[in-house]
Amino acid sequence: QVTLRESGPALVKPTQTLTLTCTFSGFSLTTTEMCVSWVRQPPGKALEWLALIDWDDDKYYPPSLTTRLTISRDTSNNQVVLTMTNMEPVDTATYYCVRSRGYSYLHAFDFWGQGTAVTVSA
Amino acid sequence: AVQLTQSPSSLSASVGDRVTITCRASQDIARALAWYQQKPGKPPKLLIYDASSLESGVPSRFSGSGSVTFFTLTINNLQPDDFATYSCHQYNTFPSFGGGTKVEIK
Repeated sequence: QVTLRESGPALVKPTQTLTLTCTFSGFSLTTTEMCVSWVRQPPGKALEWLALIDWDDDKYYPPSLTTRLTISRDTSNNQVVLTMTNMEPVDTATYYCVRSRGYSYLHAFDFWGQGTAVTVSA
Repeated sequence: AVQLTQSPSSLSASVGDRVTITCRASQDIARALAWYQQKPGKPPKLLIYDASSLESGVPSRFSGSGSVTFFTLTINNLQPDDFATYSCHQYNTFPSFGGGTKVEIK
């Protein structure tokens, strides 16, 4: 059974760095074609893909956010960590950890965590 | 970046109705499109991938079609559990999502 669970602070101040952890089970990130992404959703708005890390430790980011994001993995603990620098109020959103199977980001997201809500406010 | 435009943004329907939602891509994405269902306070749930493949465990009343830039999600015999928001997602290039279509009870 595949499960993913996000953890991290519920509130961060503007200019701070956000660090989120995804702890997963039911699959290994060292198995060929396994990938974990982060996707966020501002309140009442559309989903936005943020980053992906694959079984080969390759990493992908959207061009618009690449300077602010870092994704990494701890395969021994089945965790994926996302850091986002210079947080702003527009970054207020629910952040989801998701799994996909295949090469890089060229596949649908088949399992989602429950999400963690992050508010950016002074 | 590929823009996905969904229509309508919302619709009202009755149990038993047939509902069709469209998703238009700003450029050719072949068949690299997925559909998700999302209920308030919950994460999205994958329904359809590769434009028309039904995810395991998803009822057969859901179907997807389309290619290149035009895609549709059809729900036949709408059930009470189907009232939710539906979003499309392209993965032909860096992933992007549509704005969502809220299906409400008439």
